Amino acid sequence: GENVEQHPSTLSVQEGDSAVIKCTYSDSASNYFPWYKQELGKGPQLIIDIRSNVGEKKDQRIAVTLNKTAKHFSLHITETQPEDSAVYFCAAAISGAGSYQLTFGKGTKLSVIP
Amino acid sequence: GAVVSQHPSRVICKSGTSVKIECRSLDFQATTMFWYRQFPKQSLMLMATSNEGSKATYEQGVEKDKFLINHASLTLSTLTVTSAHPEDSSFYICSASRTFGHTEAFFGQGTRLTVV
Repeated sequence: GENVEQHPSTLSVQEGDSAVIKCTYSDSASNYFPWYKQELGKGPQLIIDIRSNVGEKKDQRIAVTLNKTAKHFSLHITETQPEDSAVYFCAAAISGAGSYQLTFGKGTKLSVIP
Repeated sequence: GAVVSQHPSRVICKSGTSVKIECRSLDFQATTMFWYRQFPKQSLMLMATSNEGSKATYEQGVEKDKFLINHASLTLSTLTVTSAHPEDSSFYICSASRTFGHTEAFFGQGTRLTVV
């Protein structure tokens, strides 16, 4: 089955700096890669996703890059703010007709220091 | 759009009793719903996949008789923890995906279950 590795497990940055979280996946058939933000005591919230036919996607301060050959994808947060502090999870799935299952990384706890 | 509501957000129950957790898709029809369990400071562990109108598919190691899942409509799935024990205490989260051809999964806010 799919295996998703996520690094680092914890990350501290100064407010205004950039944060980068990296994930690798094992199944070359995976074609959907979402990123989730989870605040304490809440469910994960989808913040951005990318599909295998795209190399990069950006939404304001958040961007995701995908390298299919190397089977890794990364989340980039620029101009970090204290409210960005949370646990971030990457995931991978094989999407197509019908249902699919997400395989999650172990999470990265991001702390943005004011 | 794409709001998933989970209820209750917190529940405390006595050992031996059963607890039902509801997961509703408020503004879309969800053919498939997923139930996860999350231990403190850990990732989400998939427990089961639930398709509307059919039996749930459980992951290896998850007791289907203990964690009863019902997905009777396109907007509601329930997880019942039967004969709960303290080791069942955890954060349970559901997610829902739209019908055929969509891949985005939207999560509920989670339920903190404490068994005393």
